[in-house]
Amino acid sequence: DTAVSQTPKYLVTQMGNDKSIKCEQNLGHDTMYWYKQDSKKFLKIMFSYNNKELIINETVPNRFSPKSPDKAHLNLHINSLELGDSAVYFCASSQEPPSYEQYFGPGTRLTVT
Amino acid sequence: QKEVEQDPGPLSVPEGAIVSLNCTYSNSAFQYFMWYRQYSRKGPELLMYTYSSGNKEDGRFTAQVDKSSKYISLFIRDSQPSDSATYLCAIRAGGYQKVTFGTGTKLQVIP
Repeated sequence: DTAVSQTPKYLVTQMGNDKSIKCEQNLGHDTMYWYKQDSKKFLKIMFSYNNKELIINETVPNRFSPKSPDKAHLNLHINSLELGDSAVYFCASSQEPPSYEQYFGPGTRLTVT
Repeated sequence: QKEVEQDPGPLSVPEGAIVSLNCTYSNSAFQYFMWYRQYSRKGPELLMYTYSSGNKEDGRFTAQVDKSSKYISLFIRDSQPSDSATYLCAIRAGGYQKVTFGTGTKLQVIP
């Protein structure tokens, strides 16, 4: 039974399109995250939600909009995709902070052409 | 100055070697220190954590933190080919503060 799942696993799209990535966790965690990992493996947080409330919002273009319909789901919508958005996007979850242990999903590899 | 600096590697060692992976950080407010392991095309998974200076051992893995020098290390004894992965150090302050990851060190253990 997958703890943190993401769909789709691969996403290839053209510049200017709008796309969404979905994330679900069945661990009963209160906090969920979106991370971006670039081609050099640098993992950087984008957003964090705790009980559906946004608690971390890093300097991310407003083309990226997270949505948390309930505490088990955190989706990421990206408008007007750009070449620089190509990366692997990871969803993660954890217990209420100050938990150190984050459980990561398998990642969504986004390629913008 | 970056919040976390990690030796970039890559690192290639023979099976059975002792591996040392290192990170430095700049903010003394950081309280929690983690090491994540990431296999190719997978998500990171927590390997070890600590929140105090000193050593913490788990099997073949030892995490070391020196808060006075702002230096953290992960030692792997008797390295195995299955240890081949990218290792990411991660740190955070308390409360709802974000986790900041190092850039990762790619390790290859050659049989």
